[in-house]
Amino acid sequence: EPEVTQTPSHQVTQMGQEVILRCVPISNHLYFYWYRQILGQKVEFLVSFYNNEISEKSEIFDDQFSVERPDGSNFTLKIRSTKLEDSAMYFCASRPLGTGYTGELFFGEGSRLTVL
Amino acid sequence: GQQVMQIPQYQHVQEGEDFTTYCNSSTTLSNIQWYKQRPGGHPVFLIQLVKSGEVKKQKRLTFQFGEAKKNSSLHITATQTTDVGTYFCAGGYTGGFKTIFGAGTRLFVKA
Repeated sequence: EPEVTQTPSHQVTQMGQEVILRCVPISNHLYFYWYRQILGQKVEFLVSFYNNEISEKSEIFDDQFSVERPDGSNFTLKIRSTKLEDSAMYFCASRPLGTGYTGELFFGEGSRLTVL
Repeated sequence: GQQVMQIPQYQHVQEGEDFTTYCNSSTTLSNIQWYKQRPGGHPVFLIQLVKSGEVKKQKRLTFQFGEAKKNSSLHITATQTTDVGTYFCAGGYTGGFKTIFGAGTRLFVKA
């Protein structure tokens, strides 16, 4: 069964460092997302990506964050200068053909980011 | 802005008891989805409801979507220890590109 894969599973970084989290969405999906979950808390929307551009972003997704789909398969989230409060589990998700707001979200297993 | 509220935050039940979690949106939803997250895991899709007043069942799970498409509930009959985890509702809004998650209800089942 196709699945969303994410790397790394866990990254520890120093405050102020740049981090890149990688995702390979399911191959025929069209909509791509990043969500984050601070330990034990809600799953928060960060950004959606469709047709090679950001389609929607939350207030969390400020200038420190960026997303790319450089080669048609990978989907990356970059945090330019990490802060302590960026420590969280980051989930990549994808959604097949349809609309951006309906249909099953397929989540990866997540990348845990720890900022020291 | 669009918000999805979910209660209760936690629920402890004895195995065999029923469980219900409730979800409410500040504005009319296009659809409501439900996900389950096991401890240490990722959210896994359970179901999507799109029609006003819709009711769907999956074995012991019953999902309802309100007539005004602003609220929803998940009811589990006769809970089992395998039901433990956090249940999230998640709302989609017409014309948007995101699904907004409620805070989740964490279910604990005592054998």
